Amino acid sequence: SAVISQKPSRDICQRGTSLTIQCQVDSQVTMMFWYRQQPGQSLTLIATANQGSEATYESGFVIDKFPISRPNLTFSTLTVSNMSPEDSSIYLCSVGGVLTGETQYFGPGTRLLVL
Amino acid sequence: GENVEQHPSTLSVQEGDSAVIKCTYSDSASNYFPWYKQELGKGPQLIIDIRSNVGEKKDQRIAVTLNKTAKHFSLHITETQPEDSAVYFCAASMDYGGSQGNLIFGKGTKLSVKP
Repeated sequence: SAVISQKPSRDICQRGTSLTIQCQVDSQVTMMFWYRQQPGQSLTLIATANQGSEATYESGFVIDKFPISRPNLTFSTLTVSNMSPEDSSIYLCSVGGVLTGETQYFGPGTRLLVL
Repeated sequence: GENVEQHPSTLSVQEGDSAVIKCTYSDSASNYFPWYKQELGKGPQLIIDIRSNVGEKKDQRIAVTLNKTAKHFSLHITETQPEDSAVYFCAASMDYGGSQGNLIFGKGTKLSVKP
C-alpha cells in the first residue's frame, strides 16, 4: 500500500489569505486526487492531478480558487486561495483507484480553520 | 450521476454485539464498492471492498454483502470492540473499460462501541 504524507497537518488562517498544502507519496503514481471533507460531512472530489498536464476539476471547483501543481510522480500541492470561513475543512490527498477495482489510499489530511 | 445513500448516520452498540451499516446506490453500472474507516484525526482507511461479480466477502470480523438487483450493499462487523469506534464510509464507482470512475461516497456512519 502507498504511504502518503501531508503538510501541514493543521492550520488556522485569516480570511483573504492563501494556504498551500503539500502531498508526498512514497512511490510513483500516475494520478493524485484532492478531496474536501467539510465538518461532519462526506468526501467530495475537488480535482484530479496528472503529472505534466493541467488538473481536472469537478463541478463546483475552479482553478483560480484551488490551483494545483504536480511537478513529478510523487508530489502534488493544492492551494486554497483567498480563503473564507466556508473553506474550513479537512483537505485530503489520495492515490490509486485508477484501474478497475484498484484500491484508493488516502493521506492523513490537512485540517484547515479559517477565521 | 451516481448517488450513494448510507444509513444509519449514527450507530451505538455494546461491545461484542454486531453492527450493520447499509448503503444504496442509484446507478446500476456501478461495480466497485469499497468501505473506509476514518478514525478521529486521520484519513480514511480501506477496510474491505467488493466487486459486482461477488455477492459476499469476509475478512475476519468484517464482511460485506452486495445485492445488485436491489442496488444495495452492507457492512457487517461482528464481535465489535471499542477500537471499532470510528466513522465508516461506503463508496461506489463504475468501470470504464478497465479504468475506474471516481468514487462517490456516502455521508458516513458514526459507530460507537460501548465497553
